[in-house]
Amino acid sequence: EVQLVESGGGLIQPGGSLRLSCAASGFTVRSHYMSWVRQAPGKGLEWVSVIYSGGTTYYADSVKGRFTISRDIFKNTLYIQMNSLRADDTAVYYCARGADSSSPSFDSWGQGILVTVSS
Amino acid sequence: QSVLTQPPSVSAAPGQKVTISCSGSSSNIESYYVSWYQQLPGTAPKLLIYDNNNRPSGIPDRFSGSRSGTSATLGITGLQTGDEADYYCGTWDSSLSAFVFGTGTKVTVL
Repeated sequence: EVQLVESGGGLIQPGGSLRLSCAASGFTVRSHYMSWVRQAPGKGLEWVSVIYSGGTTYYADSVKGRFTISRDIFKNTLYIQMNSLRADDTAVYYCARGADSSSPSFDSWGQGILVTVSS
Repeated sequence: QSVLTQPPSVSAAPGQKVTISCSGSSSNIESYYVSWYQQLPGTAPKLLIYDNNNRPSGIPDRFSGSRSGTSATLGITGLQTGDEADYYCGTWDSSLSAFVFGTGTKVTVL
């Protein structure tokens, strides 16, 4: 069974840093493209970043230069390092698995982890 | 600001049909497969439709998808109270080099 479990969220002051983890089971993170998607309170879904099987990464303009996506194939875990956090980064962060290399869709999602940026 | 536009809300009585539109452009919907997600209150999104019109296993055939040009549509027939949720379209955008989601549509069963 495919499972994604996020951790590492919490309350952080503006300007601070946080690293989220997404532990995967039932498949290998190296075999699928993996993304982070966030949802601010009461708002819609916002894609954040993706890492492809070959290691290529892309970021939303809103986080470019501040966030870094990575993976550890030995721990089978996806990460996102978030620096220079701002109040508008406050959101529930989901990790999501790409359905197929040729399909821009996400077939499995974690339960989400809340990040609150506030002083 | 999302590049994919959806109506904020749609509603219908139980048993009826609703359709949700997703309007984009040549750099996203017209060029790449579209997916649809259902987000029940307080839960993570769930894949409903992928590659424009395919349903993952376990998704009932009451849900259907289509694409024409720069727009896509999700249809829900035989509406049930359990279908009350937010629905999002999504795809890749080559101009942004980014995945994009629609603005989201709240479905209400009257």
